[in-house]
Amino acid sequence: GESVGLHLPTLSVQEGDNSIINCAYSNSASDYFIWYKQESGKGPQFIIDIRSNMDKRQGQRVTVLLNKTVKHLSLQIAATQPGDSAVYFCAESSSGGYQKVTFGTGTKLQVIP
Amino acid sequence: DAMVIQNPRYQVTQFGKPVTLSCSQTLNHNVMYWYQQKSSQAPKLLFHYYDKDFNNEADTPDNFQSRRPNTSFCFLDIRSPGLGDAAMYLCATSRAGREQYFGPGTRLTVT
Repeated sequence: GESVGLHLPTLSVQEGDNSIINCAYSNSASDYFIWYKQESGKGPQFIIDIRSNMDKRQGQRVTVLLNKTVKHLSLQIAATQPGDSAVYFCAESSSGGYQKVTFGTGTKLQVIP
Repeated sequence: DAMVIQNPRYQVTQFGKPVTLSCSQTLNHNVMYWYQQKSSQAPKLLFHYYDKDFNNEADTPDNFQSRRPNTSFCFLDIRSPGLGDAAMYLCATSRAGREQYFGPGTRLTVT
């Protein structure tokens, strides 16, 4: 079936550097994409989303880039902090009327102090 | 603060003994979801309610059932838990067409 997957299972980044987490998706009908952050023992937390009519969206220290041509999504975190250490999931939806999302496999971000 | 609450946070049950996990929300969202998440894996959708309409995923075992008596509450019933059902169970809510808000999860242990 359709799937969403991440390229790297673990990413180690020096504190203060920028982080880039990548995600590939296979469903060409996907029209809504979300990044979630999940800290140990907690539920996923919404970070940022982007719709398919956009190719870039910025939040506070985070930017999501969408390349529909190659079905690729990335999350950029500026000036990575120890509190950013978590597992990051991309998720996609093609439901149209309401959000039933499919999660990718997750990338663990480790921030080195 | 508006939020998604799950009780209990930790649940231990015996093999084959029915167990119920609960979720409540103060967000007044019309969609509620139940996910299963095993260690180092992505959350896997079991089913969701869009208002009162129940939507089961094709690969969700019959052992898993759900009830939504009102907008605020949703329950996950596991009729005969097996060892393979040990996992984190996540409840989420959304307003149709918007992002999902997750609860802290219930960690289920089956002995």
